[in-house]
Amino acid sequence: AQKVTQAQTEISVVEKEDVTLDCVYETRDTTYYLFWYKQPPSGELVFLIRRNSFDEQNEISGRYSWNFQKSTSSFNFTITASQVVDSAVYFCALTSRNSGNTPLVFGKGTRLSVIA
Amino acid sequence: DARVTQTPRHKVTEMGQEVTMRCQPILGHNTVFWYRQTMMQGLELLAYFRNRAPLDDSGMPKDRFSAEMPDATLATLKIQPSEPRDSAVYFCASGPTGKSNQPQHFGDGTRLSIL
Repeated sequence: AQKVTQAQTEISVVEKEDVTLDCVYETRDTTYYLFWYKQPPSGELVFLIRRNSFDEQNEISGRYSWNFQKSTSSFNFTITASQVVDSAVYFCALTSRNSGNTPLVFGKGTRLSVIA
Repeated sequence: DARVTQTPRHKVTEMGQEVTMRCQPILGHNTVFWYRQTMMQGLELLAYFRNRAPLDDSGMPKDRFSAEMPDATLATLKIQPSEPRDSAVYFCASGPTGKSNQPQHFGDGTRLSIL
């Protein structure tokens, strides 16, 4: 069975601080994909990044960066110089490679509050 | 930008009433998912379809929930009779078949309140 654990339920930081959101996953599949989604207060789910299990290179996109470590089954997300607009619930998710698009298994989410 | 469209955005109704939620997937996407978000359970899969055929509905209470795809442009999720514990946000998502590394695109959700 697949499982995603986001141990941090809520995090609060002051604007301009860096913050890291943790994600640990479990899967028996050798090929799988990891995702991060953002859910702002308006409620929609916004795709941020996808990573496949063969690519352990870290990725940076503006103030966002992701650290994928297969050895520890972790896919952590760092926001540098946080801003109030980053306040949201962030979900880590996992899917296996199958013949076609497969359902996502989500973590419980981490609520990030960035205070001005 | 292509989007998944869900209607209604909000629904408030009394216990025992039938509720129908609709989803228009992105044109050309032939995998459609229904997820439910609650405070207690988080985001969980209810059912999903590929090429309009149901593949997995094990997450759905069978006695009151039903999911269908009458055609490629419409997916429906019905609850009959509704109960207060069904109050949640219901998300529809669609994705292209054959490339599971492609992200699913989510609709804005239907926020359902059963009184």
